[in-house]
Amino acid sequence: GAGVSQSPSNKVTEKGKDVELRCDPISGHTALYWYRQSLGQGLEFLIYFQGNSAPDKSGLPSDRFSAERTGGSVSTLTIQRTQQEDSAVYLCASSSLAGGAYNEQFFGPGTRLTVL
Amino acid sequence: LAKTTQPISMDSYEGQEVNITCSHNNIATNDYITWYQQFPSQGPRFIIQGYKTKVTNEVASLFIPADRKSSTLSLPRVSLSDTAVYYCPPKTAYGNNRLAFGKGNQVVVIP
Repeated sequence: GAGVSQSPSNKVTEKGKDVELRCDPISGHTALYWYRQSLGQGLEFLIYFQGNSAPDKSGLPSDRFSAERTGGSVSTLTIQRTQQEDSAVYLCASSSLAGGAYNEQFFGPGTRLTVL
Repeated sequence: LAKTTQPISMDSYEGQEVNITCSHNNIATNDYITWYQQFPSQGPRFIIQGYKTKVTNEVASLFIPADRKSSTLSLPRVSLSDTAVYYCPPKTAYGNNRLAFGKGNQVVVIP
């Protein structure tokens, strides 16, 4: 009965470095979402996966951001050449499937990224 | 995606009923109204969802007027553990169900 897990829980990096953030969704959940929460802000949608495909990438803020999902399970969000404005908590959520009225999203604890 | 607006912060005493209102001025016909709760250093947690009228579950009630331009989350007899930020993102009933969170409403329960 494990929930959504994310790693690392905290990541401190230097400006210009690349980072990878990992999300393990609930087993069997086909829909996976990445959100970002900056200090004092609400959650901002980044990208949505259905299986291994990403039909909605409209929230990715720049081409430095990319994400992939393999085996319909684990997802990795990669930020290249990090900037200080990338500092935020990155949250992953999964649901049993998208497109239904009653499919709630289950969130992980997030990865706090700090870019120095 | 429809935007939501909420008051920023509110205090309440333990044991009282707390009502939090959210505006959904641009809500679409196919949108459901969902409410999430977020504790510090945790991801949001689903509380309740509705389309119109009233929905009740074991933790909260949700009131949605006929025009659906607002919704009110009611928490009966709050405890200190209900101190959290509450969000009311609309959710489309089809498509990818992405959630459009606003800034949320900080509820602080005072002993």
